[in-house]
Amino acid sequence: QVQLQESGPGLVKPSETLSLTCAVSGYSISSGYYWAWIRLPPGKELEWIATIYHSGNTYYNPSLKSRVTISVDTSKNEFSLKLTSVTATDTAIYYCGRSEGSYKSFDFWGQGTMVTVSS
Amino acid sequence: QSALTQPASVSGSPGQSITMSCTGTSSDIGSYALVSWYQIHSGKAPKLLIFEVTKRPSGVSNRFSGSRSGNTASLTISGLQTEDEADYYCSSYAPGISYVFGTGTEVTVL
Repeated sequence: QVQLQESGPGLVKPSETLSLTCAVSGYSISSGYYWAWIRLPPGKELEWIATIYHSGNTYYNPSLKSRVTISVDTSKNEFSLKLTSVTATDTAIYYCGRSEGSYKSFDFWGQGTMVTVSS
Repeated sequence: QSALTQPASVSGSPGQSITMSCTGTSSDIGSYALVSWYQIHSGKAPKLLIFEVTKRPSGVSNRFSGSRSGNTASLTISGLQTEDEADYYCSSYAPGISYVFGTGTEVTVL
């Protein structure tokens, strides 16, 4: 069974960089599929952040592209997210997920990690 | 690109059927058969219920079904159970952004 687990600090100061990692088990990232980050701000809708293919091809939400970097480490079977210059509006539950294509549905998700941006 | 519009809440009694809508535009739902539905229980991993408008992943109960008419997609839960209390989100492919999600619907089992 494919499992994803997010990890990272739960509190980030404004203007700093948010860094999260998603560890994948039960499936080798290098075998394929697309790997993504999605977030759910409190009281708002889900928002897709970025997707990466195991080969390194990346896809970004245009509204966040200038601040986001997604990367993959196939040797550790994990992928990561960096979001720079965070503000309170970046406070959200951050999920990692897997999809068959860069715009296909997410068939497996992590349980999410809450990140609060506050001084 | 605006979020897809969903009713904030839907409720029903055990055993009943409920349907929730997801309204987009001719640029997303109306043009692409790439609508998905997700169930989120608080503190748990979201679960894919429906993909490509009507398809159910292996292991998902056939009580969940999806449809689409024009720019609106719908999710129906038949034989409502207490475990169906959760938040539900739709999603569609949208050119230029890849994914647009719905505003979310809270389902309450009375």
